[in-house]
Amino acid sequence: SQTIHQWPATLVQPVGSPLSLECTVEGTSNPNLYWYRQAAGRGLQLLFYSVGIGQISSEVPQNLSASRPQDRQFILSSKKLLLSDSGFYLCAWSQGSSGANVLTFGAGSRLTVL
Amino acid sequence: ELKVEQNPLFLSMQEGKNYTIYCNYSTTSDRLYWYRQDPGKSLESLFVLLSNGAVKQEGRLMASLDTKARLSTLHITAAVHDLSATYFCARRGQGGSEKLVFGKGTKLTVNP
Repeated sequence: SQTIHQWPATLVQPVGSPLSLECTVEGTSNPNLYWYRQAAGRGLQLLFYSVGIGQISSEVPQNLSASRPQDRQFILSSKKLLLSDSGFYLCAWSQGSSGANVLTFGAGSRLTVL
Repeated sequence: ELKVEQNPLFLSMQEGKNYTIYCNYSTTSDRLYWYRQDPGKSLESLFVLLSNGAVKQEGRLMASLDTKARLSTLHITAAVHDLSATYFCARRGQGGSEKLVFGKGTKLTVNP
């Protein structure tokens, strides 16, 4: 069966520090991968998605970036965090355009920027 | 640009009552999804509706899709406290896009 791992689960970072959140999927190949952010107001904002290695679509121009160094690994990064980067970051995967393409989410990473 | 709107955003109801959450979207597309989120937790898939007229049911929850009206509903029957959560609908982007656009969510509180 497929599983998605996301870490760290919680982190507190000072403004201006770098960020790296990692997400890996097991039990499948060539998944679509996604990063969403959920701020305190509850809504989900799509940050990046990737349909394959080297293919990353950015939805929100800001100080975040994403990379997909391996087929089942998705990394969210920042060189310098802002206060507004605080939130709940969710990685998700789906099997692609065929079938129902249901997104399965990781457990999330809660980031607090001070 | 695809927009997904849910209403109500907040819903407080008593156990045993019925209610409906509405999800409207702005452009035609396939695949409408419903998710549940418990406080402090991640999202869990509830239903995926693939075509016009699709209806899915799980326990006290029933979801339906009307693509002509660009509307999906999530009906709650005889609510119980365990259904308290935030419910999101989501729609795939246009042109076969792989991205999902989510509504703002409906925070449901079921009171004993």
